[in-house]
Amino acid sequence: DIQVTQSPSSLSASVGDRVTISCRTSENIADSLNWFHQKPGTAPRLLIFSASKLQSGVPSRFTGSGSVTDFSLTINSLQPEDVGTYFCHQSYTTPGAFGRGTRVEI
Amino acid sequence: QVQLMQSGAEVKKPGASVKLSCKASGYTLTGYTFRDDYFHWLRQAPGQDFEWMGVISPGGGATTYAKALQGRLMVTSETSTSTVYMELYNLKYEDTAIYYCALANPYYTNYWFDPWGQGTLVTVSS
Repeated sequence: DIQVTQSPSSLSASVGDRVTISCRTSENIADSLNWFHQKPGTAPRLLIFSASKLQSGVPSRFTGSGSVTDFSLTINSLQPEDVGTYFCHQSYTTPGAFGRGTRVEI
Repeated sequence: QVQLMQSGAEVKKPGASVKLSCKASGYTLTGYTFRDDYFHWLRQAPGQDFEWMGVISPGGGATTYAKALQGRLMVTSETSTSTVYMELYNLKYEDTAIYYCALANPYYTNYWFDPWGQGTLVTVSS
C-alpha cells in the first residue's frame, strides 16, 4: 500500500503569515493528491484536487504544488477562519490513503 | 450543487448491525445524475486517521470494499430516491467512529471527495 507522510503535525502562525504543509508518498502517484480542511465537528472540505487545482469557491490564498512523491499546500496570508486540521489524500489507488493531518492554530 | 444528507446518530451493542443512509440532492442543477457518480464511505475514529471503507457506483451497483471490512460491510444504493446505504455487521467497540459518505468523480484513480455528508456518529457500547 502507498504510505502518506504529512508534516508538520501541528503549527501555530500569525494572521497574515505564509504557511506550508507537506505530504510525501512512498510511491510515485503522479498528481493524484488532494487537500482537505476540517474544522472541529464538521466534515472535511475539498481545497485542492489533482495536486494543484483549486476547487471552486476556495479562496485563492490556497495553492497546491508538487508531483510524483512530494507535495505541498501553501496558505498565503493566513486568516482566522483557516484554523483547523488539514489533510492530504492520495487517490492514485483505491483505496487511497490520508495523511495524519496538520493542526493549524493562530 | 449536490448535497449529501446523512441519517442520525446511532448507539449499538457489540455484535449488532447498523445501517446508515446518505441522500443526494441537487443533481438537477449539475447536469449529471446520481447514477453517474461514485459514492464512498469513510470513517474517522476518535484520535485515528481517516479510514476508507468502500465505494459504490449506483449506475451498475458495482462495489469495492476495504479488505479489513470485507464480510462485515455492505454498501447499496437506491436510484429512485438518490440514496446510498452503508450497513456494517457484527459491530465491535473499535467501530465507534464518525461515518461519512462522500461523492467522487467516477474513477478509481485521481478521484477526489466532494462534497461530504455531515457525518454520522456511531457508538458501540454495551
